[in-house]
This record gives sequence, C-alpha cells and structure tokens, in this order.
Amino acid sequence: KAGVTQTPRYLIKTRGQQVTLSCSPISGHRSVSWYQQTPGQGLQFLFEYFSETQRNKGNFPGRFSGRQFSNSRSEMNVSTLELGDSALYLCASSLDGGETQYFGPGTRLLVL
Amino acid sequence: TQLLEQSPQFLSIQEGENLTVYCNSSSVFSSLQWYRQEPGEGPVLLVTVVTGGEVKKLKRLTFQFGDARKDSSLHITAAQPGDTGLYLCAGGALGANSKLTFGKGITLSVRP
Repeated sequence: KAGVTQTPRYLIKTRGQQVTLSCSPISGHRSVSWYQQTPGQGLQFLFEYFSETQRNKGNFPGRFSGRQFSNSRSEMNVSTLELGDSALYLCASSLDGGETQYFGPGTRLLVL
Repeated sequence: TQLLEQSPQFLSIQEGENLTVYCNSSSVFSSLQWYRQEPGEGPVLLVTVVTGGEVKKLKRLTFQFGDARKDSSLHITAAQPGDTGLYLCAGGALGANSKLTFGKGITLSVRP
C-alpha cells in the first residue's frame, strides 16, 4: 500500500501571496488531518477532514483553510502569507478518524 | 488545553548506552502514540498504547503508558546511531476523534 503523499515537497513564496498544498491519504483512509510544525511551537493541529466535512479545527486564523474531495484527497490553503507561516506542513491520514495516524513527508514552505 | 511535556529536550549519548525519556501531562488521554521523525521527513509511528499500565516492546525500544494514562516513557536499550532522531509523543483526546496533542519532542543523537 502506498503511503501518504504530499505535493509539493518544497515551496518558496513571498509575503501576501497565497499557497495551496495537496495531500493524498493511504488508500481506504477517509480522515485527513493537517499539522504545522515549527522549531519553536512543535507540531500544532490545524484541522481534520472526514468524508469531505471539517470535523475538528485547531486555533489558527481564518487565513488557513482546507477541503477534502470525494476520493479523500485533501488540500489546504493559506492566504495572505506571513513570514511566520514558514514551516513544515504535515498531513496525516487514518482509517476512520481514529487516533493512530500515518504522516506524509510534509511540504516545507518558506515565506520571504 | 491539554499539554504534553517531553523531557529531556535534547540528549546526546554514546552508542551502546541505555536511555529513558519521558512524556508527561496533567490530562488523561485515551491513547498515546510515540513517533520518530528524521530531518526533512514526516513522523513515523512507532507504537500506540491505550491501556493504563500497558507495556509494549519494539525490538530494543520499550514503551510504557502510565497507570493513570497521563504519562508515558520510552526506554532504549543499547542505543545505535540509527536511533538518532526527534521522538514525539502524542495524546489522543477523550471524545475528540483524530485531534492529537503533540509534545515538542526529544532530539536524540547517538554517537558512534
């Protein structure tokens, strides 16, 4: 079984731009969660999608949004990028929203 | 807000040594996961523990979940350079699907 894939792996943007990141979960997994990882804050939960519906949301501003498609693939979007958005963005999938999650390799975003 | 504190934050040891690291919280978790993350990659799940007092072994790694399900420890016997990485613990919140709370991690370096 293929693992969780994320594209692109690396991205450089400038302040004010927007970005869309993509995540393909493990086949058969219906839950996709997104996390932001920075050296200072560690891994922080952004949101979780299950069957195309946002089921959980972390404490991030509205500039961070996401969606999930009928094939369980998910995208997250960040608008009006700020320098502080530079981070590794990780997505994780699970079968049915259980707590055991499998992570992708992440997208490294650098905002200049 | 549930917090997980991991200690020590950094650890540098010689190959062959034993070590124990900790993950502590004042909150009760329904389960606890340990992950290892290498630079530029996503976290890889090592183990999930769900029962208070549970002990699981994975080769030279021994994981224990505290009786009250508020803390966990990871013991590595005869550490090897391949054990080098960031060790993350994550707690599953009671009644909240897929919302994991992560500790900031323990950076382990095993010198040959």
